[in-house]
Amino acid sequence: DTGVSQNPRHKITKRGQNVTFRCDPISEHNRLYWYRQTLGQGPEFLTYFQNEAQLEKSRLLSDRFSAERPKGSFSTLEIQRTEQGDSAMYLCASSSSGGYTGELFFGEGSRLTVL
Amino acid sequence: TQLLEQSPQFLSIQEGENLTVYCNSSSVFSSLQWYRQEPGEGPVLLVTVVTGGEVKKLKRLTFQFGDARKDSSLHITAAQPGDTGLYLCAGKKAAGNKLTFGGGTRVLVKP
Repeated sequence: DTGVSQNPRHKITKRGQNVTFRCDPISEHNRLYWYRQTLGQGPEFLTYFQNEAQLEKSRLLSDRFSAERPKGSFSTLEIQRTEQGDSAMYLCASSSSGGYTGELFFGEGSRLTVL
Repeated sequence: TQLLEQSPQFLSIQEGENLTVYCNSSSVFSSLQWYRQEPGEGPVLLVTVVTGGEVKKLKRLTFQFGDARKDSSLHITAAQPGDTGLYLCAGKKAAGNKLTFGGGTRVLVKP
């Protein structure tokens, strides 16, 4: 296993378009997290799944954002009607749940630029 | 206001010097992690601390968790250019499974 995989790595889109990011977690991990990071800041929590269940969503996740993990494996994050303020790095991370003390394994991120 | 405040926000030092990064909160955490992030990459876990007063060493890096589990520090001895990066602290509360990150400290070690 090569770790958490995210694609696309970079996405440039025009305001108002929809975009979708995909995350493939480490195969034995049942938890999957999405974070957003803007330049010079720490990652901000968006949402997380345990298996296919979405257990927590941040207030940052407006109605234009939706995340799914239909079979408890890969996840998608869709942003509808993108705005310039959505420009950021979208980070996916996974973890196991047994004896969990918070360690996350991150992918390389998907950078979104909204023109 | 961020739940975890990191200071300083930026640190520029010469190779061979020592540095300390601080991570402070008014909240108690059941565990705290330090990550390092390079430009265009995701954060990479350095260490996890779980016990108040705990000290962990990773080569030239020393991590300390405060006695009350509200704060932490990262000390780098004899910094090298390879230590350059964004250092992030992140805490997990006893209730819940998400990590909350600090704003990060950008460290630049000049040769």
